[in-house]
Amino acid sequence: SSELTQDPAVSVALGHTVKITCQGDGLRNYFASWFQQKPGQAPLLVLFGQNNRPSGIPDRFSGSTSGNSASLTITASQAEDEADYYCCSRDITGTTHVFGPGTKVTVL
Amino acid sequence: QVQLVQSGAEVRKPGSSVKVSCKPSGGTFKRFTFNWVRQAPGQGLEWMGRVIPIIDITNNAQRFQGRLKITADRLTGTVYMELSSLSPEDTAMYYCVRELGEDDNSWGQGTLVSVSS
Repeated sequence: SSELTQDPAVSVALGHTVKITCQGDGLRNYFASWFQQKPGQAPLLVLFGQNNRPSGIPDRFSGSTSGNSASLTITASQAEDEADYYCCSRDITGTTHVFGPGTKVTVL
Repeated sequence: QVQLVQSGAEVRKPGSSVKVSCKPSGGTFKRFTFNWVRQAPGQGLEWMGRVIPIIDITNNAQRFQGRLKITADRLTGTVYMELSSLSPEDTAMYYCVRELGEDDNSWGQGTLVSVSS
């Protein structure tokens, strides 16, 4: 299957660490990328490849992959990290992409 | 930073087609891949398809096969997404996206397509 699964929602206390996971067969062959989306805004790439952050993304965002699972970890969460987070990867053929359903992160 | 400038909002009747354009500022495609991603109101992101202009390759998500056409005009440096046989379920914000999972990632401002009778 080319589908990706994510937990629908997670909450984290301000300053604490949260881990968001993404599962799918394609992750055995391709890295996930992670997008943050705040209401009314276009998504923003926060992590790609093995564990790479685009310029301007704080180093509290990190990632890892194991088997068919990828994760995004936000260390010392800030109020501005409250958003929807989507994982994205290729299907097993590598020719198409698929997004996970998204995880809503609430910072308490 | 390269910007992707998309065409304006569209309103269509069910059964019709829509064509949305995307033009990278700075003009050229270079080696980049351009994707189309849509988001229905209150819903998640959905990858639709992509074009690699320099080698003229397109790939579409299976669920859009037969009614999605993604093209690139090298003369004008513009990418197009055309979706036919529209239904109200196609009402969404449509984004042009350069290089989905790479450092060269960039998103257009989005084009709202509304389908209603």
